[in-house]
Amino acid sequence: GENVEQHPSTLSVQEGDSAVIKCTYSDSASNYFPWYKQELGKRPQLIIDIRSNVGEKKDQRIAVTLNKTAKHFSLHITETQPEDSAVYFCAAPNYGGSQGNLIFGKGTKLSVKP
Amino acid sequence: DVKVTQSSRYLVKRTGEKVFLECVQDMDHENMFWYRQDPGLGLRLIYFSYDVKMKEKGDIPEGYSVSREKKERFSLILESASTNQTSMYLCASSLVGSGAHNEQFFGPGTRLTVL
Repeated sequence: GENVEQHPSTLSVQEGDSAVIKCTYSDSASNYFPWYKQELGKRPQLIIDIRSNVGEKKDQRIAVTLNKTAKHFSLHITETQPEDSAVYFCAAPNYGGSQGNLIFGKGTKLSVKP
Repeated sequence: DVKVTQSSRYLVKRTGEKVFLECVQDMDHENMFWYRQDPGLGLRLIYFSYDVKMKEKGDIPEGYSVSREKKERFSLILESASTNQTSMYLCASSLVGSGAHNEQFFGPGTRLTVL
């Protein structure tokens, strides 16, 4: 089955700096890679996703890049703000069993210092 | 907006009790999921369901069972609660199609403490 590794586990940046979180996956057949953000005390929510037919996708200050050859994808946040402080989870498909599901990374706690 | 609700935000039970966690979604989603969230371990899939009365084991099904009698409702059952099942439990749902390729909408979570 799929294995997803996420790094770093914690990340602290100054407001205005950029933050990068990286994930690797094991199944070369995987073709959908979402990122979820979980603010303190709240539920995880999808913030951006990428499918394997593109190498990069942007949405305002966040972007995701995908390198299928190396089997890794990354979340980039530019001009970080205090409200970006949260735990971020990457995920990749698991095609084991009769139905697919997502395998999540262990999360990265991002702290943005004012 | 998709709304996923869970029956309790906080629950305290005793070892050996049978525990029911309920999840309801109002967007006619086919797929529903139960996850367990522990610090440093991320979101781990316990069970999921892709249709009424259908279920599939996730990564950590031991000690849990599920029930899906109606499309909008997915229940997680701890047959005999143990202290190592103290955790945050998150329910999620997604549209028809592969659960591997669709956005999942999460409930607010139930923090279960087993004494």
